[in-house]
Amino acid sequence: KNEVEQSPQNLTAQEGEFITINCSYSVGISALHWLQQHPGGGIVSLFMLSSGKKKHGRLIATINIQEKHSSLHITASHPRDSAVYICAVRGAQKLVFGQGTRLTINP
Amino acid sequence: KAGVTQTPRYLIKTRGQQVTLSCSPISGHRSVSWYQQTPGQGLQFLFEYFSETQRNKGNFPGRFSGRQFSNSRSEMNVSTLELGDSALYLCASSLDMTGAQYFGAGTRLSVL
Repeated sequence: KNEVEQSPQNLTAQEGEFITINCSYSVGISALHWLQQHPGGGIVSLFMLSSGKKKHGRLIATINIQEKHSSLHITASHPRDSAVYICAVRGAQKLVFGQGTRLTINP
Repeated sequence: KAGVTQTPRYLIKTRGQQVTLSCSPISGHRSVSWYQQTPGQGLQFLFEYFSETQRNKGNFPGRFSGRQFSNSRSEMNVSTLELGDSALYLCASSLDMTGAQYFGAGTRLSVL
């Protein structure tokens, strides 16, 4: 079993829909990161959180330390949100990554 | 501020050769991490440097090595290249080892 599991692996939705991507982890962590990767490879760090909830524009990230679970929400989704979203947890010594969720938003 | 700069962007090598990749972090950032991304394995941690010292290392063979200079710039080296080393190599910098990471555009290495 991977230390970091994301679901779903692929998600296709219509513009305007509310999107939720989930991340579960099995190790103790000091922080959890949500990353966005567009075609071509560039990675952007969206959030780093260790508790509670953070919001940036239409993006919201939450984490439940007791349940070892985090969610990334996108409100009013737009085709430009189409990308791979990656959850990563910082354990004792290193970042461990989920396999990513490929999100496609159709106009 | 300039972002994280990785050079070269693309590289083609043949099996058995060695390669050196470079990463210039954001000014003021002292921590640099390296990652390998492949379609099969996803993103995997290679190593992390802080103040010129390797602080953490991932599960990669000794053919993968790196270093960090006094200006925080970092290089990674892969010797005796294998076909399976073909990947996107990403560098990320942060203020310290616990901060948010900022990624470079990556170096795409193809081993023929």
